[in-house]
Amino acid sequence: DAKTTQPTSMDCAEGRAANLPCNHSTISGNEYVYWYRQIHSQGPQYIIHGLKNNETNEMASLIITEDRKSSTLILPHATLRDTAVYYCIALNTGNQFYFGTGTSLTVIP
Amino acid sequence: SAVISQKPSRDICQRGTSLTIQCQVDSQVTMMFWYRQQPGQSLTLIATANQGSEATYESGFVIDKFPISRPNLTFSTLTVSNMSPEDSSIYLCSVEFEGPPYNEQFFGPGTRLTVL
Repeated sequence: DAKTTQPTSMDCAEGRAANLPCNHSTISGNEYVYWYRQIHSQGPQYIIHGLKNNETNEMASLIITEDRKSSTLILPHATLRDTAVYYCIALNTGNQFYFGTGTSLTVIP
Repeated sequence: SAVISQKPSRDICQRGTSLTIQCQVDSQVTMMFWYRQQPGQSLTLIATANQGSEATYESGFVIDKFPISRPNLTFSTLTVSNMSPEDSSIYLCSVEFEGPPYNEQFFGPGTRLTVL
């Protein structure tokens, strides 16, 4: 299973873009990169996922490097409600999600 | 998507007792998972519970301590047996819908367990 590493914490000013990095240097060719977030006292919530190409949805954008060894989740206009712990996960062929330590994002007014 | 409920939402238990946590999904799913989240920590996968087969436990988790039932495609239970204060955690269930186009897991709200 590919292990992911993320910074422990980050701050972002409200209204600015939040860029959350993730390293997954051992990811295999068929493992997707998923991003979830967990707002305090709630279950994790799906944000976005990708394999090779950059992806965008209504919540965020995902930029995956060409060698797939790292990715960046971008929240284009962070709000206070985006304060949460963000998890980057490499989905293995057994369909089990192994969560790393995550990044605690604090959006500052 | 899926709506997942867990019961109880929280409980305070005495050491040496057992607690059974229920997970109910509003649609039929094959794959269900149970996670533990210790205070201030990330989620740790306990086991995979597929209907019609024995649960598969991750390293460090055993059936005697965390027996799991999966009687049908919408329901599962996790029992935390012979509890100690170290079992104080949030326990979450999740379900997975397999693609195409992709797999996605949905999580329940969690059960907050405190063992005294």
